[in-house]
Amino acid sequence: DQQVKQNSPSLSVQEGRISILNCDYTNSMFDYFLWYKKYPAEGPTFLISISSIKDKNEDGRFTVFLNKSAKHLSLHIVPSQPGDSAVYFCAAPLFNTGNQFYFGTGTSLTVIP
Amino acid sequence: DVKVTQSSRYLVKRTGEKVFLECVQDMDHENMFWYRQDPGLGLRLIYFSYDVKMKEKGDIPEGYSVSREKKERFSLILESASTNQTSMYLCASRLDRGSYNEQFFGPGTRLTVL
Repeated sequence: DQQVKQNSPSLSVQEGRISILNCDYTNSMFDYFLWYKKYPAEGPTFLISISSIKDKNEDGRFTVFLNKSAKHLSLHIVPSQPGDSAVYFCAAPLFNTGNQFYFGTGTSLTVIP
Repeated sequence: DVKVTQSSRYLVKRTGEKVFLECVQDMDHENMFWYRQDPGLGLRLIYFSYDVKMKEKGDIPEGYSVSREKKERFSLILESASTNQTSMYLCASRLDRGSYNEQFFGPGTRLTVL
């Protein structure tokens, strides 16, 4: 049973516009969320995180929003750049089960120049 | 910078072979993880390890085993490789100091089983 879900397998955005990637989760025990970015033939790299005590965390062009009541988070990239083209995974750890991380299936973002 | 290295970037093996995938991290991290990534399925956890000689099954441990004899090294073993184990294998490590630390990933090993 997928506890972290990314329902959009792909997204195309024009350079300079906003990219919005979405993630839903089912387990109310999650209290920390991360976004990873993955280029082909490379391992994922950490991008940004958010704790459940916040509803927004910003780092440069990247902002993550958390809506706990809806069990939904989103990653906003503004402005989008061609180098942002990658697969984005959201993830959530469950520390009471030994630090297991649950990953979504990923969204492939293409930023069109 | 944390560095996680994996022994091979590409590997081709035959059905029935025993396969070893090695992962080494250089930052004294307690936790280490093995995932496989398949199209449409995201990252699925095979095994993880709290610390030396400690291991826990993830979501898809069948057909795999692991070994962690030293803190910096976590090995994934395919006892008898099968074609459905063709995949991208990713190793990760994590500092276990408090809860809110991310995982660091290696570059991955693309395994093909013929």
